[in-house]
Amino acid sequence: GENVEQHPSTLSVQEGDSAVIKCTYSDSASNYFPWYKQELGKRPQLIIDIRSNVGEKKDQRIAVTLNKTAKHFSLHITETQPEDSAVYFCAASDTRRSARQLTFGSGTQLTVLP
Amino acid sequence: ETGVTQSPTHLIKTRGQQVTLRCSSQSGHNTVSWYQQALGQGPQFIFQYYREEENGRGNFPPRFSGLQFPNYSSELNVNALELDDSALYLCASSLVGGDTQYFGPGTRLTVL
Repeated sequence: GENVEQHPSTLSVQEGDSAVIKCTYSDSASNYFPWYKQELGKRPQLIIDIRSNVGEKKDQRIAVTLNKTAKHFSLHITETQPEDSAVYFCAASDTRRSARQLTFGSGTQLTVLP
Repeated sequence: ETGVTQSPTHLIKTRGQQVTLRCSSQSGHNTVSWYQQALGQGPQFIFQYYREEENGRGNFPPRFSGLQFPNYSSELNVNALELDDSALYLCASSLVGGDTQYFGPGTRLTVL
């Protein structure tokens, strides 16, 4: 089955700096890669996603890049703000399967220092 | 907020007991997935329901079972609770054919 590894497990940045979180996946059939943000005690919320036919996607301060050959994808947050502090999870899925299960990484605790 | 609701918020059970967790999908969503999130870990896929039938299952034993009702609400049942079942249980709903899964707030289960 699919295995997703995520690094780093913790990341501290100064407000205004950029943050990068990296994930690798094992199943070359995976074609959908969402990123979720989970604040303490709250539900995971989708912040951005990318499909395998696209190499990069941006949404304001957030961008995701995908390298299918190397089987890795990354989340980039620019101009970080204290409200960006949360746990971020990457995930992978093969949407051609009947059950579109998400396989998650182990999470990155991002702390933005004011 | 996404509209997915779960109940109860918190639950304490003892080893060997049975528990039922409930989920109400976002309006119009007919597919529901359940995930287990241990402390400090990413969510792990338990199973998915579509049209009231299980259509996919992760690496969880049969004592984890589920139901989906005609109104697309869902239940997760766990029998013979073990200490390791202590976790946050999340449900997520999606449109059939849709890739995006919207999560509920979760039920925190503690097994003593």
